[in-house]
Amino acid sequence: DTAVSQTPKYLVTQMGNDKSIKCEQNLGHDTMYWYKQDSKKFLKIMFSYNNKELIINETVPNRFSPKSPDKAHLNLHINSLELGDSAVYFCASSQDPGGQETQYFGPGTRLLVL
Amino acid sequence: SQKIEQNSEALNIQEGKTATLTCNYTNYSPAYLQWYRQDPGRGPVFLLLIRENEKEKRKERLKVTFDTTLKQSLFHITASQPADSATYLCALEGAGSYQLTFGKGTKLSVIP
Repeated sequence: DTAVSQTPKYLVTQMGNDKSIKCEQNLGHDTMYWYKQDSKKFLKIMFSYNNKELIINETVPNRFSPKSPDKAHLNLHINSLELGDSAVYFCASSQDPGGQETQYFGPGTRLLVL
Repeated sequence: SQKIEQNSEALNIQEGKTATLTCNYTNYSPAYLQWYRQDPGRGPVFLLLIRENEKEKRKERLKVTFDTTLKQSLFHITASQPADSATYLCALEGAGSYQLTFGKGTKLSVIP
């Protein structure tokens, strides 16, 4: 059974389009995250939700909007895609927020904006 | 400003030797430090967590140390194997935040 799953795995799209990435976890965790990993492999936090409430909102263009319909799901919608948005986006979850918690990552969504 | 530095982007080591990876940090006072492994095309996988009051933690062939005076963590893999080849990331919590901040990682290659 997949603990943290993401769809789609690959996303190729044109500049200016709007796209969504979905994430689901079946671990019963209360906290979920979105990370961006750029071409230099630097993994950077974007957002975090705890019990469906936004608790981390890093400096990210407001074209990116997360949404958590329930504790098991965290989606990421991106408006007006730009070339610089090309990256791998990882969803993760942990039981609670904080540095003492193990984070479980999904397989990533590889976004390529042309 | 806060910074996490992992000693080198890439480290090559002969099979059977001990690999030592370094994670240095500045302007953090983390209560916890974590290490993750990332294989190409996959998400990071948790390996070990060490608390500030722990000097050392072991798990099979892995050992992590945490020196809050030096602001450094060392990650050791003993009797390294080609299957240990991957990128290893250290991560720690920023003060007053709930988030983990990751270092850029060290790509370890174990040569048969």
